[in-house]
Amino acid sequence: AQTVTQSQPEMSVQEAETVTLSCTYDTSESDYYLFWYKQPPSRQMILVIRQEAYKQQNATENRFSVNFQKAAKSFSLKISDSQLGDAAMYFCAYRSGYGGATNKLIFGTGTLLAVQP
Amino acid sequence: DTEVTQTPKHLVMGMTNKKSLKCEQHMGHRAMYWYKQKAKKPPELMFVYSYEKLSINESVPSRFSPECPNSSLLNLHLHALQPEDSALYLCASSQDETGNYTSPLHFGNGTRLTVT
Repeated sequence: AQTVTQSQPEMSVQEAETVTLSCTYDTSESDYYLFWYKQPPSRQMILVIRQEAYKQQNATENRFSVNFQKAAKSFSLKISDSQLGDAAMYFCAYRSGYGGATNKLIFGTGTLLAVQP
Repeated sequence: DTEVTQTPKHLVMGMTNKKSLKCEQHMGHRAMYWYKQKAKKPPELMFVYSYEKLSINESVPSRFSPECPNSSLLNLHLHALQPEDSALYLCASSQDETGNYTSPLHFGNGTRLTVT
């Protein structure tokens, strides 16, 4: 069975600084997708960034980028130029890429990010 | 603004009540999901509908009854709930359920349910 581990329950960053959130996963599959979701106090789960396992190039979305290390099964999220609005719970998630698989996301336990002004 | 709309935002109900949660999306997505989330925990999958048919029930107690009247609507009927069922209930949708397509889930804002 696949598992996702986020070893940092809480993190803090100064506004305009850079922070990296860690995520590791365990799988025997070779085809899968990885996601980072953000959940602010408004409660909505918002997709931040996604990565296809077959792509070697790290995904980027504006100030958000990932460091995807497939061999190490690591998928960290880097937030550059942190803003107050980045304060939220961040969940790392895994989904199998095999046919017949449901779109079942396996979530990590989350990292609560605080942004200090 | 969220493209997945959930109503109500808050719901308080007694253990003998019957209530329903509603979810609506107009993105043409063919898969819809119910998740349950306890405070400071990740969401837990409850049900998946694919093309308006129930495809996954994660061993959810029968006091939760999902319904998908059409491709845009998803309901969760609640009856005889227990206080431990108090949680945030999140609805989500995705373009397709198949695992070969990177169709990320789009979530609604959730319904905060309190069972007294």
